[in-house]
Amino acid sequence: GQNIDQPTEMTATEGAIVQINCTYQTSGFNGLFWYQQHAGEAPTFLSYNVLDGLEEKGRFSSFLSRSKGYSYLLLKELQMKDSASYLCAPMDSNYQLIWGAGTKLIIKP
Amino acid sequence: IAGITQAPTSQILAAGRRMTLRCTQDMRHNAMYWYRQDLGLGLRLIHYSNTAGTTGKGEVPDGYSVSRANTDDFPLTLASAVPSQTSVYFCASSEDSSGANVPTFGAGSRLTVL
Repeated sequence: GQNIDQPTEMTATEGAIVQINCTYQTSGFNGLFWYQQHAGEAPTFLSYNVLDGLEEKGRFSSFLSRSKGYSYLLLKELQMKDSASYLCAPMDSNYQLIWGAGTKLIIKP
Repeated sequence: IAGITQAPTSQILAAGRRMTLRCTQDMRHNAMYWYRQDLGLGLRLIHYSNTAGTTGKGEVPDGYSVSRANTDDFPLTLASAVPSQTSVYFCASSEDSSGANVPTFGAGSRLTVL
């Protein structure tokens, strides 16, 4: 079966760094997406990884290891506005996104 | 219209009633999707359309139907609503259905079935 595992909730301090892990099992693989979702709002795209390694985009970076079925999202210089849920979504062999339940990130001053 | 628009924003509905959630995009995207999001669960795909004139079933299609008469519109219909269909519904679209084409989401429709 297809399965996504990410922590339910994490807490971090403003200005710090946080890493949100995601492990996945899918039928085939065509890349992995990370989305941010603020409460009551739509998911918004953060990153896409299809090859192993680190993709950096400003304060956010995303890492992928296909052999381990593992990805992480790294958020640096945390700001209060980063309080949101972060959704990991690998794409299977049918190009369908398989969504994790998301990690709720709480930022404290 | 800019991007993807859903209507209504929220709706309370009596069980057994018929309801259509509307979704329109102006990006000329080929692929469109309907998801539901429930607390503690990931987004679950209801139906999708890879191009105008075609539709397909997702993970949780029962009780829902869709149509794709043109590129822009992708309505979702609940023929006879049941309380278990209480959820937040998101419509999304992408340029096409493969690889690095990033789905863009609408703001969502919150549906309560009593």
